Amino acid sequence: DAMVIQNPRYQVTQFGKPVTLSCSQTLNHNVMYWYQQKSSQAPKLLFHYYDKDFNNEADTPDNFQSRRPNTSFCFLDIRSPGLGDAAMYLCATAAKRETQYFGPGTRLLVL
Amino acid sequence: AQSVTQPDIHITVSEGASLELRCNYSYGATPYLFWYVQSPGQGLQLLLKYFSGDTLVQGIKGFEAEFKRSQSSFNLRKPSVHWSDAAEYFCAVGQGDTGRRALTFGSGTRLQVQP
Repeated sequence: DAMVIQNPRYQVTQFGKPVTLSCSQTLNHNVMYWYQQKSSQAPKLLFHYYDKDFNNEADTPDNFQSRRPNTSFCFLDIRSPGLGDAAMYLCATAAKRETQYFGPGTRLLVL
Repeated sequence: AQSVTQPDIHITVSEGASLELRCNYSYGATPYLFWYVQSPGQGLQLLLKYFSGDTLVQGIKGFEAEFKRSQSSFNLRKPSVHWSDAAEYFCAVGQGDTGRRALTFGSGTRLQVQP
């Protein structure tokens, strides 16, 4: 089945140690999104790619970066994780003018 | 700017009872509206969406929602709740070119189902 896959499902990192989360999709969608969701809150958009065009939200910290090497894959890099970055990170994809489909998420724990 | 309000943070219903989750939006043009469900520790699953046409939309798992432009609402309903429906429900609004722009989510409603 076509789907959005996120790896790993759970990630533990140390304070200040860089970490990379990955997202892949078999839907061939041209748009990919990264959201941050903290406990009992709504998802908050960090950035998205429209094809290779990167769009950063104004309030996304510089500590967060993203790469999209091809249509299928997108990565979220956290350069120096702080305790406040512990959250669920959700990847979503969409075809132009269509619905967003979400992956299962990666829960990040920062020690 | 667009916004979404889900006035009920937490709702408890008995299994077999009917359910209505409220959603109000603010958007200048015709919105694209969505309901997603999230089980603990999981991603968001699309329940249903409204883009245009019939204002009563059918979704998965027996859910439906009605778009009421005059009330700026898109309430989610289910006639008979099952224990497996316990989850967090998010209403979201997107702009016309929703594939390019992000969704704006409401703060969510947590549904608890009593036996």
